[in-house]
Amino acid sequence: DSGVTQTPKHLITATGQRVTLRCSPRSGDLSVYWYQQSLDQGLQFLIQYYNGEERAKGNILERFSAQQFPDLHSELNLSSLELGDSALYFCASSVERRSPLHFGNGTRLTVT
Amino acid sequence: DAKTTQPTSMDCAEGRAANLPCNHSTISGNEYVYWYRQIHSQGPQYIIHGLKNNETNEMASLIITEDRKSSTLILPHATLRDTAVYYCIVRVDPDYKLSFGAGTTVTVRA
Repeated sequence: DSGVTQTPKHLITATGQRVTLRCSPRSGDLSVYWYQQSLDQGLQFLIQYYNGEERAKGNILERFSAQQFPDLHSELNLSSLELGDSALYFCASSVERRSPLHFGNGTRLTVT
Repeated sequence: DAKTTQPTSMDCAEGRAANLPCNHSTISGNEYVYWYRQIHSQGPQYIIHGLKNNETNEMASLIITEDRKSSTLILPHATLRDTAVYYCIVRVDPDYKLSFGAGTTVTVRA
């Protein structure tokens, strides 16, 4: 158990809809990272927050947004969903720079 | 991030040591080598990391060559539970993100 909690574990929704994925980092970790893993793309970095502020951005679509709240949990919002957004979405957290990332077990999103 | 090259797949016998190579010939002096593994769609699991010295923890050992252009992850006594995709990643400081490649699919056989 990494200590990172992601909810829900599974999500099935229709194209055009909007969903919110939630992540609770390990106790004491200030950084939160979001990754997307689809069958043909591998693990892709989306975005990172540190203590409530956006720190780094990767291949995140404009339809996607994220935030980190004062209690350090984070949410990833996906809107106008397309079939191609079906993937595993992982959240990770770390204490500080150079610290290892610890991943949750992901949310499996299926868009039908 | 410096690019890494890993074999696509490898097999290992249960109980034997598994030696996973990684080439990172363009690594810079401030870049760390990290190893993660992912067991069948679970979240990636941190294994070990190092800068230039060899490292060992309860899971594995990391051997980094003197020129730092390659490294080897050693699983001392592989078990069936070690079957996974293993990722070798070079991480820039102060860049925080980890960039995952395709990794090595390791299959431990009884």
